[in-house]
Amino acid sequence: SQKIEQNSEALNIQEGKTATLTCNYTNYSPAYLQWYRQDPGRGPVFLLLIRENEKEKRKERLKVTFDTTLKQSLFHITASQPADSATYLCALRGRSSASKIIFGSGTRLSIRP
Amino acid sequence: NAGVTQTPKFQVLKTGQSMTLQCAQDMNHNSMYWYRQDPGMGLRLIYYSASEGTTDKGEVPNGYNVSRLNKREFSLRLESAAPSQTSVYFCASSGPGTSGIGNNEQFFGPGTRLTVL
Repeated sequence: SQKIEQNSEALNIQEGKTATLTCNYTNYSPAYLQWYRQDPGRGPVFLLLIRENEKEKRKERLKVTFDTTLKQSLFHITASQPADSATYLCALRGRSSASKIIFGSGTRLSIRP
Repeated sequence: NAGVTQTPKFQVLKTGQSMTLQCAQDMNHNSMYWYRQDPGMGLRLIYYSASEGTTDKGEVPNGYNVSRLNKREFSLRLESAAPSQTSVYFCASSGPGTSGIGNNEQFFGPGTRLTVL
């Protein structure tokens, strides 16, 4: 069955370092992959989208890579700040027009000052 | 623009009671969705509406019904609530895509925290 895996353990890193989150998928051929941020008690907020034919996408301090051979996406936050602390969700949509978006369970990131 | 709004924010029901969760968006989006989020399970799609007048089942539709009242509004109804439906419910919308659900970012509402006793 189709599965998306994100590290369920929280990631704790020092302010200023680069945070790297992983999203792995199986039995899936995504047309694109999205990353969302979710703060406690709030709905997810879209951050970045990367398509299957793209290797890397950047937006300010954020960088996403997409390796369809490894079936993996990496999400990087450079020069991390305490305000970056949140849960980050990856989501994939298949190529079929009938395909639905599937979300991972998210990884909680904590940036300590 | 308010974006996506949901009511109520919190609700407690007894087993067997019914209720409707309301969702509205002011972004003129074609597609709207209902998800539930449970600890460790991520967001799971309950129902979606690719356009006004159409609705389709998602991953976990049992126990729920939906109505796409117009382009702005998409409601979720629990006819006979069960403790297994205790969850946080999110409504989302997305802009027009070439086909199917759409290929753009989803905009989420603030969520409804539902407890069924």
